[in-house]
Amino acid sequence: GESVGLHLPTLSVQEGDNSIINCAYSNSASDYFIWYKQESGKGPQFIIDIRSNMDKRQGQRVTVLLNKTVKHLSLQIAATQPGDSAVYFCADHFQGGKLIFGQGTELSVKP
Amino acid sequence: EAQVTQNPRYLITVTGKKLTVTCSQNMNHEYMSWYRQDPGLGLRQIYYLMNVEVTDKGDVPEGYKVSRKEKRNFPLILESPSPNQTSLYFCASSFTGTGKDDTEAFFGQGTRLTVV
Repeated sequence: GESVGLHLPTLSVQEGDNSIINCAYSNSASDYFIWYKQESGKGPQFIIDIRSNMDKRQGQRVTVLLNKTVKHLSLQIAATQPGDSAVYFCADHFQGGKLIFGQGTELSVKP
Repeated sequence: EAQVTQNPRYLITVTGKKLTVTCSQNMNHEYMSWYRQDPGLGLRQIYYLMNVEVTDKGDVPEGYKVSRKEKRNFPLILESPSPNQTSLYFCASSFTGTGKDDTEAFFGQGTRLTVV
């Protein structure tokens, strides 16, 4: 079946360091992979996506890497700030609007 | 301001009493969907809908109904709620069909439902 998993439920980093959040997926039929950020008491917020035929995409302070050979996705956050503290979800996006979310990694940033 | 609005934010109800959670979006999005979020299980899609009157089931559709008589509204209906439907619910919308930012889903603030 389809599933999206994350390697670590929690991640703690020092302010200013880079953060790497990992995700594994099982289904190869998706057209996009997407990262969402969820702050406490709020709905998920789109961060960045990557088309399934790409290997890398960069945004503001974030980079997503896609390794289709091992079905692995990662989100790199440069110079992590306290405002980056949240739960991060990867999601498998299928044409038509179906989304399958991973279980989330809680990122804590230590000052 | 572009947004997805859910109501109510909090709801406590009794088993078997029909309830509706409303969702409205002002972005002219084609896709709308409902999710539930439970500890340890993440976000699971209940229903997603590409267009008015075209609905696809997500991962956990049992016990839920949706309707979309007009493009902006997508209510979630629990005909006979049970305690196992106690959860945090999110509505989301996406896709303008213009090719720009079409994968970005906008989520509402959530509805915390408790069924006793």
